[in-house]
Amino acid sequence: GNSVTQMEGPVTLSEEAFLTINCTYTATGYPSLFWYVQYPGEGLQLLLKATKADDKGSNKGFEATYRKETTSFHLEKGSVQVSDSAVYFCALDRGSTLGRLYFGRGTQLTVWP
Amino acid sequence: GAVVSQHPSRVICKSGTSVKIECRSLDFQATTMFWYRQFPKKSLMLMATSNEGSKATYEQGVEKDKFLINHASLTLSTLTVTSAHPEDSSFYICSASRAAYEQYFGPGTRLTVT
Repeated sequence: GNSVTQMEGPVTLSEEAFLTINCTYTATGYPSLFWYVQYPGEGLQLLLKATKADDKGSNKGFEATYRKETTSFHLEKGSVQVSDSAVYFCALDRGSTLGRLYFGRGTQLTVWP
Repeated sequence: GAVVSQHPSRVICKSGTSVKIECRSLDFQATTMFWYRQFPKKSLMLMATSNEGSKATYEQGVEKDKFLINHASLTLSTLTVTSAHPEDSSFYICSASRAAYEQYFGPGTRLTVT
């Protein structure tokens, strides 16, 4: 089947710390992989994506590399800010049906000044 | 651009009544809309996929007679929870898609059934 496993939160960091949120997946075929972010009181927003193996998605200082050999798509940022505090969701699109997303459970990130 | 709204943001209803939640794409036409349910500390669970003018496709285990979805236009989809019970209390989120890998999410609706 298709599923996404994310590291359990919450994650609490000081400003300028390094962030890693682990994500691994199980999928048939060749999925596309996504990270979504949900700020308090807002809807999910696409943060970055990768559509094939070895692709690196990046946005707002965040990066994630599609690793087919380890079935992973870990999210990283070198220096987090208070404004990065949000819930982060890893997701995959199996590609067979437009928009059919499988989500991980989400990881709450809190950054303190 | 690509804004999706939901109304209401919060609703409280009595057990046995029905409640309607609207999802609108404000500045684009959505070929497909999706309805998700989010439980506390759990991931989003896809409930159904709807295309304008056709019947929704429900995920396994989702009661189609309880969760009625209407997609009357390219900018509006509605989810009606019929004969609501306390176990239906949850956070419902819609999303709208206009192209491959372009899915935009609404802010969600908190439903509480008393």
